[in-house]
Amino acid sequence: GAVVSQHPSWVICKSGTSVKIECRSLDFQATTMFWYRQFPKQSLMLMATSNEGSKATYEQGVEKDKFLINHASLTLSTLTVTSAHPEDSSFYICSARDPGSNEQFFGPGTRLTVL
Amino acid sequence: GQQVMQIPQYQHVQEGEDFTTYCNSSTTLSNIQWYKQRPGGHPVFLIQLVKSGEVKKQKRLTFQFGEAKKNSSLHITATQTTDVGTYFCAGSLGGGGNKLTFGTGTQLKVEL
Repeated sequence: GAVVSQHPSWVICKSGTSVKIECRSLDFQATTMFWYRQFPKQSLMLMATSNEGSKATYEQGVEKDKFLINHASLTLSTLTVTSAHPEDSSFYICSARDPGSNEQFFGPGTRLTVL
Repeated sequence: GQQVMQIPQYQHVQEGEDFTTYCNSSTTLSNIQWYKQRPGGHPVFLIQLVKSGEVKKQKRLTFQFGEAKKNSSLHITATQTTDVGTYFCAGSLGGGGNKLTFGTGTQLKVEL
């Protein structure tokens, strides 16, 4: 199946700093990517839909100014957690939709810990 | 908004026993997908169901999509320790974005 990578796989940062997470589709072009957040022992919650060349669509309750999404190319979307706080500590997972098969492929996730 | 619930939340079985998780959506779905997530890992796609009443099998796993396209089930026959993980259903309303709403998940533990 298709491969989606995420970088970094884990990050520890101080409160108040910003963290950028990259999501890449390695062998297909993804016009649409999705960003999810998963707290321990909970389900995946969709944060936003990232569309190449246009603004991301955020889910209700997700602050667009805090979680900046940029989908500058067909193979890369980035999520920047600005002014991170301990409550932002979570597992962030991206997925990319292969327009050919319409299937979503998930990245390995990024575990963010804010001290 | 759309809600997707799964029961049970947890299930402990002895190896060799069967396991079933049920998924219910508050709205009619275009398709439903199932994922498995091992502890510490990311969701791995298992299957997609599209047609009303569809049944698909993958070795010991049987997936069903309800006639009304609002519920689904995953049944594992003769569980093995390798089946341990959390099983999520994820429903899509269709459309160009194909946004998925994940179910609450069922955590399966298999004991020898």
